[in-house]
Amino acid sequence: QSVLSQPPSASGTPGQRVTISCSGSYPNIGSNFVYWFQQFPGTAPKVLIYRDNQRPSGVPDRFSGSKSGSSASLTISGLRSEDEADYYCAAWDDRLSGRGVFGGGTKLTVL
Amino acid sequence: EVQLVESGGGLIQPGGSLRLSCEASGFAFSSYAMSWVRQAPGKGLEWVSCISGNGLGTNYADAVKGRFTISRDNSMNTLSLQMDSLRADDTAVYYCARGRYGDYGDWGQGTLVTVSS
Repeated sequence: QSVLSQPPSASGTPGQRVTISCSGSYPNIGSNFVYWFQQFPGTAPKVLIYRDNQRPSGVPDRFSGSKSGSSASLTISGLRSEDEADYYCAAWDDRLSGRGVFGGGTKLTVL
Repeated sequence: EVQLVESGGGLIQPGGSLRLSCEASGFAFSSYAMSWVRQAPGKGLEWVSCISGNGLGTNYADAVKGRFTISRDNSMNTLSLQMDSLRADDTAVYYCARGRYGDYGDWGQGTLVTVSS
């Protein structure tokens, strides 16, 4: 059971907008930045969004992040077939001595 | 260009030990905290441990606390993970990542650790 909750799957057709949610609590998302990663099978994850809503250079502006309270979202606009991948949210959790936490991941299918 | 290259994975029997290494290049290694993240076959990402830039601050996941030790050699630009008392559920691809607190800006290609008799 992951500390951060994501839907296991999401889908959309090309051109659509898809939103993936990430639900946490005060010690993690409610108190710290949220990060989003994209992972293709057999490859290392790549950062898509950092510090809640910032995009690294090279990441298309079709990808956007937002946060409200203890929940965060990743939105992909103008969905493309190459967006089919696994998506993970991550944060730091302040409980005890502190620990990193991830969501369970969302498998995005482009229909 | 930032490069992170892990090594040291392999097949190990339950109860055994293994030491993973991550060779870093392309950035000022000592200025960055570093982390280990693992991924069991067919499963999601799991944070393992992180260490501050000067090596004085460390954190561990409960699942590995007391068994794994993270360390770094800033003179050699190398991050290490000493894994003792390995169990079957430690089987995973282990990634080193630049940064901590979720801010994993760069990742290595990963090294597979298989714990099995």
